[in-house]
Amino acid sequence: GAGVSQTPSNKVTEKGKYVELRCDPISGHTALYWYRQSLGQGPEFLIYFQGTGAADDSGLPNDRFFAVRPEGSVSTLKIQRTERGDSAVYLCASSFVRAGGYEQFFGPGTRLTVL
Amino acid sequence: GDSVTQMEGPVTLSEEAFLTINCTYTATGYPSLFWYVQYPGEGLQLLLKATKADDKGSNKGFEATYRKETTSFHLEKGSVQVSDSAVYFCALIPNTGNQFYFGTGTSLTVIP
Repeated sequence: GAGVSQTPSNKVTEKGKYVELRCDPISGHTALYWYRQSLGQGPEFLIYFQGTGAADDSGLPNDRFFAVRPEGSVSTLKIQRTERGDSAVYLCASSFVRAGGYEQFFGPGTRLTVL
Repeated sequence: GDSVTQMEGPVTLSEEAFLTINCTYTATGYPSLFWYVQYPGEGLQLLLKATKADDKGSNKGFEATYRKETTSFHLEKGSVQVSDSAVYFCALIPNTGNQFYFGTGTSLTVIP
């Protein structure tokens, strides 16, 4: 079956612009997660959805970052007024239920470059 | 807070050498522990996991044992292959949490 997909695979934008990153989770997975991975670092948690609602958004760095999952499947991560420091790989993951012993399946990521 | 510390790389080994990548963690309660692997140009893949103390996770010849007394989850393989070249991430999920805490990753290169 299909894994987690993310689009676009690469996004180059200019400082101050708005970007949207899309995640299509594995069908049937109720939990969806966004992480950010900077060069040479491990992924850092941004936000977790259970169904349509954001159950934990404590990892979002500031109010320029926002994510939605309106129908409990596809999710969009939105970044306003992008800054050079936002450049990173944004990873999406999904799982059947909330984490714990359950594996999260990761997508290939979107590499965001802010010039 | 919860965190993972793993051995810094990069690590370069000859084929058939023994591999150890150290990982220690800080967490309250009983987290689940994972090793993820990222091959060049690919996404993160689960390598193995352990959900309670003294459990041993194993896959593809890799093993790691959940040691609560030393708060460790070291990754080992008896004989590495060139195809094992990748970045390895140790991670935990708290037993009451829903997010991964990842280490910084250890890059492994295996030379023929």
